[in-house]
Amino acid sequence: TQLLEQSPQFLSIQEGENLTVYCNSSSVFSSLQWYRQEPGEGPVLLVTVVTGGEVKKLKRLTFQFGDARKDSSLHITAAQPGDTGLYLCAGATGTASKLTFGTGTRLQVTL
Amino acid sequence: NAGVMQNPRHLVRRRGQEARLRCSPMKGHSHVYWYRQLPEEGLKFMVYLQKENIIDESGMPKERFSAEFPKEGPSILRIQQVVRGDSAAYFCASSPLRDRTDTQYFGPGTRLTVL
Repeated sequence: TQLLEQSPQFLSIQEGENLTVYCNSSSVFSSLQWYRQEPGEGPVLLVTVVTGGEVKKLKRLTFQFGDARKDSSLHITAAQPGDTGLYLCAGATGTASKLTFGTGTRLQVTL
Repeated sequence: NAGVMQNPRHLVRRRGQEARLRCSPMKGHSHVYWYRQLPEEGLKFMVYLQKENIIDESGMPKERFSAEFPKEGPSILRIQQVVRGDSAAYFCASSPLRDRTDTQYFGPGTRLTVL
């Protein structure tokens, strides 16, 4: 059974701080996706990474896929209250296959 | 382009009734996935379908649950004789036929409450 462990589980920080969320597994994934989910809504795609060592930037968010394609990280610079939400990583093991979701990181950014 | 659409958004059923959840994938997407999110738990894969075919149902409970994706119309997740433990958020996702990134786009979900 593939497992994706995210850390930390909960994170409460003040506006302007930086943070990093980690997503780790013992399994290799062909691609890994990061989503953000608001209460009562579906996960919204942030990014997909497919190449080991790949780094993608989305404004203040930086995503990295580990060289061995077993882990990933999400770094947020100068967090804002609008970044509050549940962050989920999800890995796929082949073309058009099911996603295995991580345990989630709940982020709260306060003024 | 319209995103993945699900209806109803909220569904209340009494124990023993049937629940039907609908999902219309994004335009041009022929792969549909269903996931379930139990209260305070993560999303768990249930079933993967293409038009008129079930590709992977390894996450589906063996009884009472079924899914279809007909040639015409939305994908349907059907739960017969619902029990309180079926109360959850059910999400549908779709992806295009050719996408090496395996990216899946999610709908807003159907929140099922069993009384």
